[in-house]
Amino acid sequence: DTEVTQTPKHLVMGMTNKKSLKCEQHMGHRAMYWYKQKAKKPPELMFVYSYEKLSINESVPSRFSPECPNSSLLNLHLHALQPEDSALYLCASSQDFDVGYGYTFGSGTRLTVV
Amino acid sequence: TQLLEQSPQFLSIQEGENLTVYCNSSSVFSSLQWYRQEPGEGPVLLVTVVTGGEVKKLKRLTFQFGDARKDSSLHITAAQPGDTGLYLCAGAEETGANNLFFGTGTRLTVIP
Repeated sequence: DTEVTQTPKHLVMGMTNKKSLKCEQHMGHRAMYWYKQKAKKPPELMFVYSYEKLSINESVPSRFSPECPNSSLLNLHLHALQPEDSALYLCASSQDFDVGYGYTFGSGTRLTVV
Repeated sequence: TQLLEQSPQFLSIQEGENLTVYCNSSSVFSSLQWYRQEPGEGPVLLVTVVTGGEVKKLKRLTFQFGDARKDSSLHITAAQPGDTGLYLCAGAEETGANNLFFGTGTRLTVIP
């Protein structure tokens, strides 16, 4: 299995809703990442998990809450989002502390906040 | 956060032409990667370069890492419509932290 699987593929939510994005990989990678990508822009790093511990939080608002239940799963909990949070949310994984191997990205969750 | 500037930002060429995309920064990177992203999908890794001056070839694509490990280029020979997409360079910090920062992107369109 050489894939990163993200669900759901599309999500529409209201500003008062609570939802979660899910990411799964079975490649034995010990680092997992959340990126946010606005239209026509490059991906921006949000969170890095290394060995299931949050190692980097790039000043992301608290309405985004990451969780890493185990080495294969990564969640992003969403609460009280704003319309400007609408974007493609990408999950990625890599062999830990060796970015020379590159990242494997999922296909993303297209989030629309109404 | 390092700034990785790519040029050109947009490129539209005819099938069969050659092109070069540049990725420049003032920071030194332990490695630099190139990705291609198609609409609605995640980026797909094309290559990783780790040694200053390194050149790697992937069929019609040639990647080079600058001697000082601050810049890189991607050259495509005889472009085909299937090469159309967003090309992103991405650098990993010299300190060894496993976080990757993406360049500003080059949107390539190859016209049949």
